[in-house]
Parts: sequence; C-alpha cells; structure tokens
Amino acid sequence: AQTVTQSQPEMSVQEAETVTLSCTYDTSESNYYLFWYKQPPSRQMILVIRQEAYKQQNATENRFSVNFQKAAKSFSLKISDSQLGDTAMYFCAFSPFLNTGTASKLTFGTGTRLQVTL
Amino acid sequence: DTAVSQTPKYLVTQMGNDKSIKCEQNLGHDTMYWYKQDSKKFLKIMFSYNNKELIINETVPNRFSPKSPDKAHLNLHINSLELGDSAVYFCASSLRGQPVFTGELFFGEGSRLTVL
Repeated sequence: AQTVTQSQPEMSVQEAETVTLSCTYDTSESNYYLFWYKQPPSRQMILVIRQEAYKQQNATENRFSVNFQKAAKSFSLKISDSQLGDTAMYFCAFSPFLNTGTASKLTFGTGTRLQVTL
Repeated sequence: DTAVSQTPKYLVTQMGNDKSIKCEQNLGHDTMYWYKQDSKKFLKIMFSYNNKELIINETVPNRFSPKSPDKAHLNLHINSLELGDSAVYFCASSLRGQPVFTGELFFGEGSRLTVL
C-alpha cells in the first residue's frame, strides 16, 4: 500500500513571495504518477501539476513547479509570485502507473492549508 | 458547462434516513468514482465504476450502494444514515482507455452531507 505524508498542516505566505509545500510518499512501485491538487473554499478539487516518475525533469506549470526527488521519495510544490487566489488547501496525491484500461486510484495526503496575505 | 456535476451540493438530514447523491459527467469519460472527505479534510476512495461495472470497492459499509445507470452517471445511495456519515462526498471521472493514461481525475464540486 502507498502512503502520502504532508507534514505542514498550515502555511502562510505574503503576496508576491515564494512558498514551498512539502510532500513525501512511500511505495514499492517503480513507476507512478504524482499530483498536486488545489481545493479552494469553493471545495472543487483542481489539478495544479502532475509528474510522471519516469521523467527526471521536474514539471512546471506557469508559477507552479515541483522538486521531484525519486530516491528520497519527495515531491514538493513551489509557488512563485503568490497571489491571493492561491489561498486554498493543497493535496499531494499518488497513483500507481496504469496500463491502458485500468482505473486510477489516487492516494491523497492530509493536505496543507495555504493562506496568502497582503 | 460543468464537466462533473453533483446534486445536491448540500444535504442536511436526520439519523436513520436514506438519501441519494447524484453525479453526472459530460467529459465522455468511461470511469467514475466516489471519494469521501472527512472533517479533517482527508480524502479516501470509496468506489469506482467503468462502463457501469464496479471495479473498485474499498472497505465501505453495506449501507452505501453506488449505482451507475450508464457511463456518464454514478449515483450514491446511503441507507440508515449515521452521524459518522457526515462528510463531503466527491464524484470524479477519468478516461480509462486512452493510449496515454495520465492518472488524472476530474472532480465535481462535492456534496456536503450533514447528519443530525
């Protein structure tokens, strides 16, 4: 079984600053996907960024980037130029690599509540 | 256009009642899921259906019964509601049969169930 750990229940950052959210995971799989999902107060879960474990290059999506350390089983999210709209719960999630025709089964961490302040 | 929609978004009911939550997706996906988010925000999968076939069934009380009339709909019926069933229930969907499967799920906005 896989586990995902987010050790920071809450974090705060000032607008325009950079913040890093931590995530570690445990798995015996050699190939898998990692995700960061965002849950704003509206409750909807929104995909922020995705990383395939077989790719060495860290994923980036505009102001969001990850630091993926496969050996250390670490997957942190960096948010640059933080904006008020980034205020949300952030969930790290793990999925085993899936052959075509298999259902996804995400394992989530407990989340980090990020507050962006003026 | 809402990709994954759930109704109702809020539901308040008494212990012992039976209630249903409906979910519909217009993304053309063939796999749908129910996740439960408890009061501590922890998300855990409950069920998954592919083309009306149950493929994931986690350890969930028998009082919870999913039903998928077609691949675009997945409903969740809960019998004899208990206080501990209070949570936010999320529906999600994905496309199982595509050549490059990303593992990504598309979520609805959640249905907050409060059992009094």
